[in-house]
Amino acid sequence: AQRVTQPEKLLSVFKGAPVELKCNYSYSGSPELFWYVQYSRQRLQLLLRHISRESIKGFTADLNKGETSFHLKKPFAQEEDSAMYYCALGGKLIFGQGTELSVKP
Amino acid sequence: EPEVTQTPSHQVTQMGQEVILRCVPISNHLYFYWYRQILGQKVEFLVSFYNNEISEKSEIFDDQFSVERPDGSNFTLKIRSTKLEDSAMYFCASTEDAAEGEQYFGPGTRLTVT
Repeated sequence: AQRVTQPEKLLSVFKGAPVELKCNYSYSGSPELFWYVQYSRQRLQLLLRHISRESIKGFTADLNKGETSFHLKKPFAQEEDSAMYYCALGGKLIFGQGTELSVKP
Repeated sequence: EPEVTQTPSHQVTQMGQEVILRCVPISNHLYFYWYRQILGQKVEFLVSFYNNEISEKSEIFDDQFSVERPDGSNFTLKIRSTKLEDSAMYFCASTEDAAEGEQYFGPGTRLTVT
């Protein structure tokens, strides 16, 4: 069965600290993986996708097929990064539970 | 920049009533989706729609649900006889490319069934 797991409901860090939001997936084929973000009172929007291998707003995510993971990382968190982050799998998106990132000043 | 729009933003209805949630996808997109998020839970896929027919649906999308593209712009989700457990945020999304494209989400409709 296709499944996405985000083990942390809430991640709280101080500004300037590194941040890693964990995502593990279960999928038998070659996965398409995405990170979506929802800032306060805004709509869900794509942050990045694994096929593009780009860095958006300083965030990167590497697909590790051996560990079936797609963790989202940023070396220096900013206050404006505070939001809900959702890892998602596939074309019809299968979402994880979401992790609320809170960056304190 | 074009956006997906949804109306209404909030709908309150009584159990057993029919509701229609409306979405206007981005105009050149061909693939349309409905998702829902019950309060405190994850966003769940309901249905995908392409070329005027359902391409995939989840277990949640039972006979009480239907989707339609009645004209060239609207994409609707109908719940025939609402239950209390249908209370949720309903998100519409659209994309140009079903396989790898970014899905653009609407702001959501909050459905409250009393």
